[in-house]
Amino acid sequence: AQSVAQPEDQVNVAEGNPLTVKCTYSVSGNPYLFWYVQYPNRGLQFLLKYITGDNLVKGSYGFEAEFNKSQTSFHLKKPSALVSDSALYFCAVRDGRDDKIIFGKGTRLHILP
Amino acid sequence: GAGVSQSPSNKVTEKGKDVELRCDPISGHTALYWYRQSLGQGLEFLIYFQGNSAPDKSGLPSDRFSAERTGGSVSTLTIQRTQQEDSAVYLCASSLYRGYNEQFFGPGTRLTVL
Repeated sequence: AQSVAQPEDQVNVAEGNPLTVKCTYSVSGNPYLFWYVQYPNRGLQFLLKYITGDNLVKGSYGFEAEFNKSQTSFHLKKPSALVSDSALYFCAVRDGRDDKIIFGKGTRLHILP
Repeated sequence: GAGVSQSPSNKVTEKGKDVELRCDPISGHTALYWYRQSLGQGLEFLIYFQGNSAPDKSGLPSDRFSAERTGGSVSTLTIQRTQQEDSAVYLCASSLYRGYNEQFFGPGTRLTVL
């Protein structure tokens, strides 16, 4: 069965600094990986995904993520954080042999002005 | 077009009562998922429907939970004999065909069991 881990419950970053939100996964087949964001009092929104191809994928709001097969990781990154990036971020994985999508517990990102 | 809608937005019930939560997916989306979001627990997978195939019920926490999807569209999640630990936000998501397509989430139903 697939699983996904977000080792940090909370990440604090100063505005303008680069940010990283970590995600590691475990699947039997090829992984399909996703990042979603949940702003306060709003639903989950899709940010980006890795299916195949380039290991670095770019998504909405200037976010990007790097797929690392050897480390089974899919960390979310942004070169320069904005206060408006403060939200709850979820990593999700689908095992290529199954259609079920499993989410991590989420990481709360605080961008400090 | 319209997004995923869920009703009711809030539901308060007494322990032992049955509740029904409804999800209207985006038109044309064949995949439909139910998740439960509890404080500090992330999103817990409950059940997955794909077209007319048998649903993947592997995430349902007990036999008090059931779900159906009528006509490949609207889905209802039913919780029988509710318990206080069932209190959570129940999220529905839909996507095009397969799991490599991104999911579109509804606003959720906040269930409170007294």
